[in-house]
Amino acid sequence: ETGVTQSPTHLIKTRGQQVTLRCSSQSGHNTVSWYQQALGQGPQFIFQYYREEENGRGNFPPRFSGLQFPNYSSELNVNALELDDSALYLCASSLDSSYNSPLHFGNGTRLTVT
Amino acid sequence: GNSVTQMEGPVTLSEEAFLTINCTYTATGYPSLFWYVQYPGEGLQLLLKATKADDKGSNKGFEATYRKETTSFHLEKGSVQVSDSAVYFCALSDLSSGSARQLTFGSGTQLTVLP
Repeated sequence: ETGVTQSPTHLIKTRGQQVTLRCSSQSGHNTVSWYQQALGQGPQFIFQYYREEENGRGNFPPRFSGLQFPNYSSELNVNALELDDSALYLCASSLDSSYNSPLHFGNGTRLTVT
Repeated sequence: GNSVTQMEGPVTLSEEAFLTINCTYTATGYPSLFWYVQYPGEGLQLLLKATKADDKGSNKGFEATYRKETTSFHLEKGSVQVSDSAVYFCALSDLSSGSARQLTFGSGTQLTVLP
C-alpha cells in the first residue's frame, strides 16, 4: 500500500511569487486535507477536498487555493507569497470525509520564502 | 473557538522512565481526541485516538483516556525508550466552515529520551 507522497520536499521562493505543491493520496482515499505547520507550532488546517470539491476551509486568505483531480491527487497553490508563508506544508488523505476517518499524513514540503 | 493546550516542552527523560504529557481542550460538542507523533524530517503519524468520554486509546505502550469532566486527554507511557524521542501533538477533531472535519492541534511537546 503506497502512502501519501508530496513533492517537492523543499522549495525556496521569493516574496510575491506563486508556488504549487503536489500531493498523491493513499490508494483508495478520496479525501485530501492540507495543513500549514510553522516552525515550532502545531499544524493549522487550510482546507479539505472531497471528490474534487472543496468542502471546508480554515482561516486562510483566498490566495491559498487548491485543486483535487479525478484520481484524488491534489495541489495547493499559494499566490503573492509573503515571508510568513514559510512553513512545512502537510497533505493528509483519508478514506472518506467522515468524522472518525483517520488522517494519513505525508512527509510535507518545506517552503522557504525570502 | 475550539483549542488544545499542551504541556510546554521540551521534556527530557532517561530510558525506562515514566512519561506524562498533559493535554487539555476547549470544544463545543463532543469532539474526537487524538495523539499524533512526528519524528525528525517526517510527517505526522497517528499514535492513538478516543472518540467518546471515558474511552481509552492505546498503542505501542502509550495510553490516553478521554476525560470529559476535566476536558483532558493526557498521554502516558510506563517505560520510555530512546526510539520514542519525537514531537508529540494532541489534537481534536471538529467541523470547519463547510462540512469538512478538521483537526485542531496543540503546539507540540518535544520529548528526548536519553540512554
